[in-house]
Amino acid sequence: EVQLVESGGGLVQPGGSLRLSCAASGFTFSSNSMNWVRQAPGKGLEWVSYISASSSTVHYADFVKGRFTISRDSAKSTLHLQMNSLRAEDTAVYYCARAAVVTDWYFDLWGHGTLVTVSS
Amino acid sequence: QSALTQPRSVSGSPGQSVTISCTGTSSNVGGYNYVSWYQQHPGKAPKLMIYDVSKWPSGVPDRFSGSKSGNTASLTISGLQAEDEADYYCCSYAGSYTWVFGGGTQLTVL
Repeated sequence: EVQLVESGGGLVQPGGSLRLSCAASGFTFSSNSMNWVRQAPGKGLEWVSYISASSSTVHYADFVKGRFTISRDSAKSTLHLQMNSLRAEDTAVYYCARAAVVTDWYFDLWGHGTLVTVSS
Repeated sequence: QSALTQPRSVSGSPGQSVTISCTGTSSNVGGYNYVSWYQQHPGKAPKLMIYDVSKWPSGVPDRFSGSKSGNTASLTISGLQAEDEADYYCCSYAGSYTWVFGGGTQLTVL
């Protein structure tokens, strides 16, 4: 089955760190660029970060730049998001989203999400 | 980048058509033909409905259609069905491998 499964969310104090993972299966993970998209409780979707298929290109939304790091392990078909210096406003469900293999410009497969709560 | 502007809610009766607008700028919607639309049911992951402004992914009914004029993209759902009731989000490529989403539109099928 083609799927993405996120893990690693939880409750963390402001200023703390958390590492999210996204396990891919059912497709050739190394062929697709990947993204993280988040959704605060009751709010809309917000793009967070992008990594190319080869890991040579990474980009971040301004609100996480310098705090979050995206990476991938193609041997393990896993995407990661290292989140440091977490703030209350980072509280959200974090989704990993696959970019289409032919083009990077849209997200054709999403995971179910993992909830990150930043609170003291 | 500021979020794209969508109406907070739209509604329609079964069988009718509704259109959801998505307004951005020349730096995103107006500058690229890379607008996509996502459907999200409560508690579920988003699902791709339209990509590259007006193309359908496999499995999405052609009742869903997309278009763009200038800085505004639109999603039209014809022949409304009860299962279409969901939140809809537009998304546009914004250059330099960044993307911007709309605030979301809640569709109610009356």
